[in-house]
Amino acid sequence: NAGVTQTPKFQVLKTGQSMTLQCAQDMNHNSMYWYRQDPGMGLRLIYYSASEGTTDKGEVPNGYNVSRLNKREFSLRLESAAPSQTSVYFCASSVGTSPRGTGELFFGEGSRLTVL
Amino acid sequence: AQKITQTQPGMFVQEKEAVTLDCTYDTSDQSYGLFWYKQPSSGEMIFLIYQGSYDEQNATEGRYSLNFQKARKSANLVISASQLGDSAMYFCAAQSGSGTYKYIFGTGTRLKVLA
Repeated sequence: NAGVTQTPKFQVLKTGQSMTLQCAQDMNHNSMYWYRQDPGMGLRLIYYSASEGTTDKGEVPNGYNVSRLNKREFSLRLESAAPSQTSVYFCASSVGTSPRGTGELFFGEGSRLTVL
Repeated sequence: AQKITQTQPGMFVQEKEAVTLDCTYDTSDQSYGLFWYKQPSSGEMIFLIYQGSYDEQNATEGRYSLNFQKARKSANLVISASQLGDSAMYFCAAQSGSGTYKYIFGTGTRLKVLA
């Protein structure tokens, strides 16, 4: 029972390089999210996808792009990485409609990205 | 726009005592959901409790209860009979009910339970 799987778990990039963080969920959830976590700043929403075929900006979308490839997969792309994007990235999913609103979030284990 | 405020960066509590973690929210939505999550030092995020904006009763889940005061826009988490394993970061979150599915977190409170 994998839940939410993120890859890679660790990555070191040089300034200006690009990379894609992959996320997949096997719970048939409709909604998916990307967050970044920085010390003292909690989790900040980068982008989210309420359902397959839709994506929306969150609180801190600049420098990122996303693709909701299908219902299972939601990727996050850094086109030209900057040191300010050094962070821990979490992917999460929720059922979309439930007795608990969109439902609680199920998180991946996180991806630690360092940009030099 | 939604905003979650957690004003306590760190808290200490003695084992077996109760502790309240504060959370205030700001939303113009009539319908919304409030959540609390726990993040142990291992890093995973664990869902604890949910309160819907139309729920009249405060939510409870085992040792966790949510003190929901709608007029004050407050959704404090109460942990009763604290255990050493409760030492972790705790995040309050709000989910928009306006159909946008936006899910916003506060900055968190680090709780340390003392033996």
